[in-house]
Amino acid sequence: DADVTQTPRNRITKTGKRIMLECSQTKGHDRMYWYRQDPGLGLRLIYYSFDVKDINKGEISDGYSVSRQAQAKFSLSLESAIPNQTALYFCATSDLAGGKAVANTGELFFGEGSRLTVL
Amino acid sequence: GQNIDQPTEMTATEGAIVQINCTYQTSGFNGLFWYQQHAGEAPTFLSYNVLDGLEEKGRFSSFLSRSKGYSYLLLKELQMKDSASYLCAVRVTTTGANNLFFGTGTRLTVIP
Repeated sequence: DADVTQTPRNRITKTGKRIMLECSQTKGHDRMYWYRQDPGLGLRLIYYSFDVKDINKGEISDGYSVSRQAQAKFSLSLESAIPNQTALYFCATSDLAGGKAVANTGELFFGEGSRLTVL
Repeated sequence: GQNIDQPTEMTATEGAIVQINCTYQTSGFNGLFWYQQHAGEAPTFLSYNVLDGLEEKGRFSSFLSRSKGYSYLLLKELQMKDSASYLCAVRVTTTGANNLFFGTGTRLTVIP
């Protein structure tokens, strides 16, 4: 079983609909992230959370909201979906931010991705 | 903002060596990562550099020069399964956070 699980894996919806993407993890990490990936643009950070009571905007948070329901769960919502939100969405987790010790990289662990199409 | 550049596409022959370069201009640099991503799949961690020099891990090595804002990923003895996108990501310390910013990725095609 995957350590970071996203649902749904694929979703087609219409403009104006509300959509929620869910992410759960069994890695025991405090830090969770939502990224979107578009061809030619790479991965861009939408929101991140360092613990249950901490929510922060990333590079491209407009049109999105998030909820950290528990340490293991972080959901992303599109209140009113629009076509330019068509993308591949990834949830990720990490442990400590990392530092000078190579062994403590603070790398991101990604879920399998949720492909969202807004018509 | 962060500026991370890497070539869009590369092609190399099975069994050969390929070097994928990444240059960056950031403030608050706190480490550089390389990830591998097969089409339609999640990125997976390959390597991490925070100090200057070369880190070797089997067929994969990664180099960092902080003064030049430059890194490369070296793949040796290429295999067909190495065909994938390779993402360069820089960790930046700003306002107490340590977040990763990604380049657009280099799509590597390995040919027989």
